Amino acid sequence: NAGVMQNPRHLVRRRGQEARLRCSPMKGHSHVYWYRQLPEEGLKFMVYLQKENIIDESGMPKERFSAEFPKEGPSILRIQQVVRGDSAAYFCASSLMGASRGLETQYFGPGTRLLVL
Amino acid sequence: GENVEQHPSTLSVQEGDSAVIKCTYSDSASNYFPWYKQELGKGPQLIIDIRSNVGEKKDQRIAVTLNKTAKHFSLHITETQPEDSAVYFCAASNNNDMRFGAGTRLTVKP
Repeated sequence: NAGVMQNPRHLVRRRGQEARLRCSPMKGHSHVYWYRQLPEEGLKFMVYLQKENIIDESGMPKERFSAEFPKEGPSILRIQQVVRGDSAAYFCASSLMGASRGLETQYFGPGTRLLVL
Repeated sequence: GENVEQHPSTLSVQEGDSAVIKCTYSDSASNYFPWYKQELGKGPQLIIDIRSNVGEKKDQRIAVTLNKTAKHFSLHITETQPEDSAVYFCAASNNNDMRFGAGTRLTVKP
């Protein structure tokens, strides 16, 4: 039973390029969450998605960042025109069907470490 | 919204000793409290969780206690081993939001 999968594990981009991070939830899970983690810091919530719906994007910057979770395929976190401050580890988590973000156990993937040069 | 504070930020113990990490939360509506362990270069892994209808939960060397009145919960690791060395995160969630503590870096010295 595969866990949450993320790719790539490491991503290097130059300023101004686009970064695409992918997340495949655990089998049977239909809720996906994206978090950002700076070195020596905790996890900051970015966005919560269900299939084809963004439920809560209150933690995501209004510009340059977008997320989707299509009916088929992985969830994608997209960062356009990256800047050095975007360098961080981005973690995806998934949970089983649930009424809201808070009630269900979230299982994390291994993360994508983005470095912007 | 919810605010979670975690202490200490770093903790060093001798192998075989116990380690205790404490968290406080602000939202009295929070009803689910998971703990995650994050090893270097890896994602957070759930190690234990507790819901608001119980005061204590134990799983082998790991236990979590919850005091709803005081709005704090703690992680207890007994008979620590070097492989327990990692960063531990607490979290608190209500029906709408999950917030994480800033993490505790635990080092177990052999």
